[in-house]
Amino acid sequence: KAGVTQTPRYLIKTRGQQVTLSCSPISGHRSVSWYQQTPGQGLQFLFEYFSETQRNKGNFPGRFSGRQFSNSRSEMNVSTLELGDSALYLCASSFSVAGELFFGEGSRLTVL
Amino acid sequence: GESVGLHLPTLSVQEGDNSIINCAYSNSASDYFIWYKQESGKGPQFIIDIRSNMDKRQGQRVTVLLNKTVKHLSLQIAATQPGDSAVYFCAEPVNSGYSTLTFGKGTMLLVSP
Repeated sequence: KAGVTQTPRYLIKTRGQQVTLSCSPISGHRSVSWYQQTPGQGLQFLFEYFSETQRNKGNFPGRFSGRQFSNSRSEMNVSTLELGDSALYLCASSFSVAGELFFGEGSRLTVL
Repeated sequence: GESVGLHLPTLSVQEGDNSIINCAYSNSASDYFIWYKQESGKGPQFIIDIRSNMDKRQGQRVTVLLNKTVKHLSLQIAATQPGDSAVYFCAEPVNSGYSTLTFGKGTMLLVSP
């Protein structure tokens, strides 16, 4: 069974640009969560989606947004990129909102 | 300005030693805890979990101990192997949805052959 797939794995952007990251959950998983990992702040929760609905949102500015499609695939978008947005963005899926989380390998974003 | 990087606590052990990684939590109402392992270049991987109605839970070569009195968790790894080298995080759910987690800062485990 394929794991959580995140694309792209690496990307470089400049300040002011926007970026879209994609996550394909494990087949059959309907819950998708996103986390940001930085050396300064560690792992921080961004948002969680279940059946195309955002269930929870972390303490991030409105420049961070996401969505989930009917096939459970999810995307997150960061607009007007700042240097501090450089991070590893991790997606995790679970069968239900109370199930074990399975993480992808992440998308490493560098903002110059 | 430049952000200050997290100074991850590091535990260095020899292969075959037992390792103990500690984690403190602040919410006395927390009822579920999870340990994750993150190898370099990979996402976190579930190791073991424990509910607050238990003091101890054992897995394969790993044991988690929960001391609710002092709000402390520990992860014990028996006969540590080089493949155990990774960063270890404790985590707890933010609310009733277990997919929304708060992670600890992490501990780096370095295992020398």
